[in-house]
Formats: sequence, C-alpha cells, structure tokens
Amino acid sequence: QKEVEQNSGPLSVPEGAIASLNCTYSDRVSQSFFWYRQYSGKSPELIMSIYSNGDKEDGRFTAQLNKASQYVSLLIRDSQPSDSATYLCAVNMDMGRRALTFGSGTRLQVQP
Amino acid sequence: GAGVSQSPSNKVTEKGKDVELRCDPISGHTALYWYRQSLGQGLEFLIYFQGNSAPDKSGLPSDRFSAERTGGSVSTLTIQRTQQEDSAVYLCASSLWNTEAFFGQGTRLTVV
Repeated sequence: QKEVEQNSGPLSVPEGAIASLNCTYSDRVSQSFFWYRQYSGKSPELIMSIYSNGDKEDGRFTAQLNKASQYVSLLIRDSQPSDSATYLCAVNMDMGRRALTFGSGTRLQVQP
Repeated sequence: GAGVSQSPSNKVTEKGKDVELRCDPISGHTALYWYRQSLGQGLEFLIYFQGNSAPDKSGLPSDRFSAERTGGSVSTLTIQRTQQEDSAVYLCASSLWNTEAFFGQGTRLTVV
C-alpha cells in the first residue's frame, strides 16, 4: 500500500463544473496536508494547505480533511480549462523526521 | 531571495562525469528537500534536510548520490559517475519547519 494514494485519472470535467480530487494516506498521526498543482513541464505550485478537520476555502478551491477516515480532498468550483493540470497531494508524516510524502498525482482535464 | 533558486536550469553531461546541482532556499527556511521527476512520472523523494542535518536520506538511489547543506542555507546535490538513468528533472523545495513547501524551477539533467 502506498503511503499517499491518488487516482491517476485523467479526471475529465466540463467547463464550469465542480472537479473533485481525492487522496488517502496511511499514517494516522499525520498533521499537515497540502495540494499542489503541476502544469506540464513546470515545477509543482502550492495551492492549498490544511491542518485541521473540516473545510478550508480559498477562492474557487476548497480543501477538505477527515483525519478519522484518513482522507483529504480538493474541490475546484467553476472549473476552467486553465485548471487542466496534475494535482499532487502531499502529507507531512512523522513531523521533523521525514520529508513531505507525495501522491503520484491526478491529471485533471477541463473540457471547454 | 524571493523564491527557491536552482542552478543550473539545464545540464547536459557525458555518461561517467560528475555533476553538482545547487539549491538556494527561501531565506529563513529551515527545511530543504530534494526530489527528482522523470518524464511523465511522479515525484521521487531523494533527501530531506532540517538545518544542516539530514534526518531522512532514504531516497538516495545509490552511493553515487550525495548531498550537503551548509550554514543552514544552500544545498548541493552531487551525482558521481552519471548514468543515463539519472536523466530527470531535479527539484528542490524549502519550508519553514514542516509548513508549506515551495519549489524551485528545477534542474533538467540530461546524461548522454
């Protein structure tokens, strides 16, 4: 079992729809969680961080964390073609002793 | 500096040569991470520094790879006797303790 799991996709949604990206993690004591966006040929760009259970909203993005179920999700409202990218989930496990652990990413395609 | 800076941006080297890749993190960031990414693949963890020490270097693929960090700032990743399978984009990221990590633009290494 991978430590951070994501569906590789591609996830295809029409323009204007809500895109829902999911991530599960194995270490129950993980404390901090991040979503990165990576365009082809570019480095990952941080878009959201979340540290406590519940929802966190930033513009069109909402991160959701459920520590009991060990999953974190990212919702993108009013999806745009420019949102087409690979979305990486990252989890900070074993604070201070290990690096950020990344999932393999979900490729999102927003159809005009 | 304003962001994570990596040099060189591109490096072409002959098989068997040694290469050094440099990462200059965001000022004040205590944590520094090296990852690599082959074409179309996910992020592969290499090594993590907290200050000048490396609590997690479990990702270094062989003893040809080494990294150091001096003064709690600049880090150098050295690959000795490069092989064609070392060709990838090498990414560096930094963060304040274990909070949000920010990536540099990467070094594209090509071994011919």
